[in-house]
Amino acid sequence: EAQVTQNPRYLITVTGKKLTVTCSQNMNHEYMSWYRQDPGLGLRQIYYSMNVEVTDKGDVPEGYKVSRKEKRNFPLILESPSPNQTSLYFCASSLYGPNNRGRETQYFGPGTRLLVL
Amino acid sequence: EDQVTQSPEALRLQEGESSSLNCSYTVSGLRGLFWYRQDPGKGPEFLFTLYSAGEEKEKERLKATLTKKESFLHITAPKPEDSATYLCAVQAEDFGNEKLTFGTGTRLTIIP
Repeated sequence: EAQVTQNPRYLITVTGKKLTVTCSQNMNHEYMSWYRQDPGLGLRQIYYSMNVEVTDKGDVPEGYKVSRKEKRNFPLILESPSPNQTSLYFCASSLYGPNNRGRETQYFGPGTRLLVL
Repeated sequence: EDQVTQSPEALRLQEGESSSLNCSYTVSGLRGLFWYRQDPGKGPEFLFTLYSAGEEKEKERLKATLTKKESFLHITAPKPEDSATYLCAVQAEDFGNEKLTFGTGTRLTIIP
């Protein structure tokens, strides 16, 4: 089954304790992206990746890191989490980026709910 | 800066009562406008992509239209299973900019 998976689905942590949220897709997609969703603010893009070793900042990259060493995986790293990073996080992928008409449909993972105390 | 505004924030309809959701956008040249559906506790599910003014797309009871300033998602004779939050997003025609900008969504409730 074609899908985007995220782990963990739920995470409670404390300020400053490094964490990684994994994202994996099995559709051989080139484009992957991370979003956070907060009430009243909608979905905001954190980072995106056009392909292996190619990443760029979205609208809210502060406090986050990403890497793309393999095509299927795009982990999100919080080196020193803070309470303002409490949110619902989504990973998404598409065959190509939004610049490719007809091949830019983004498929979203199930989400990771993070609480930073 | 790209902006997307969706209205209303919430909408309650009786089953069978048709209505429309609005998505107004401001971008420096539109590359694409996307509609998604999001159920509680789940990731957004793709519905439509529209590329140019005048374009329309349909899927079951949903029809999306696009003008130069806004998009509408028309829901005809909705059923309770159409209850969800509907999200609109835009991608600007900016070389090298691959970002999507989302609106905050319209929470639709269909009452049996």
